[in-house]
Amino acid sequence: QVLLEESGGGVVQPGRSLRLSCAASGFTFTDHGMHWVRQAPGKGLEWVSFISYDGNTKYYADSVKGRFTISRDDSTNTLYLQMSSLTAADTAVYFCASRTPIDYWGRGTLVTVSS
Amino acid sequence: EIVLTQSPGTLSLSPGERATLSCRASHSVSRNFLSWYQQKPGQAPRLLIYAASSRATGIPDRFSGGGSGTDFTLTISRLEPEDFAVYYCQQYGSSPFTFGPGTRVHIK
Repeated sequence: QVLLEESGGGVVQPGRSLRLSCAASGFTFTDHGMHWVRQAPGKGLEWVSFISYDGNTKYYADSVKGRFTISRDDSTNTLYLQMSSLTAADTAVYFCASRTPIDYWGRGTLVTVSS
Repeated sequence: EIVLTQSPGTLSLSPGERATLSCRASHSVSRNFLSWYQQKPGQAPRLLIYAASSRATGIPDRFSGGGSGTDFTLTISRLEPEDFAVYYCQQYGSSPFTFGPGTRVHIK
């Protein structure tokens, strides 16, 4: 059974940083690319970032390029999203998701950027 | 960047009726790598269709996808009560892997 569990969300002040984690289990983590997708309150889905199965290819949405960094630790089956220079526009539920096309999703972790 | 436009924004239908949702891309989607997701309130999205027309595992055959290039459709042949939700298309042929704004299907 595939399980993706996000953590690390919370309330953070504008301009500060936050790191999200996603613990993956139930599939061969090293075989698959992984994504972060976010959803602002009451809004639609926004794709954020992708990392390939081997970590060599990384893509970002223009809205986060230069501020967010995706990474993975294959020794612990964990996906990360390092977020910096956060603004109110980054307030959202952040979903970890696996494979392309995305077929498994975590339940999400809420990030609120507010002073 | 490929911009996806979904229409209509909202669809009001009754159970048993047919729903046709549209997703139009600003540029041709590479290899027709277009997927459809269903999302209900408070839940993560669920993959319905990938590669424009292939049903994901466990998805009922009342859901079907079609189209190619820049124009794609999701059809629900006979709406069941559990189908009332928001539907998103996403292209994954080229980065950034953009989503459409969604179509809300609600009970008339």
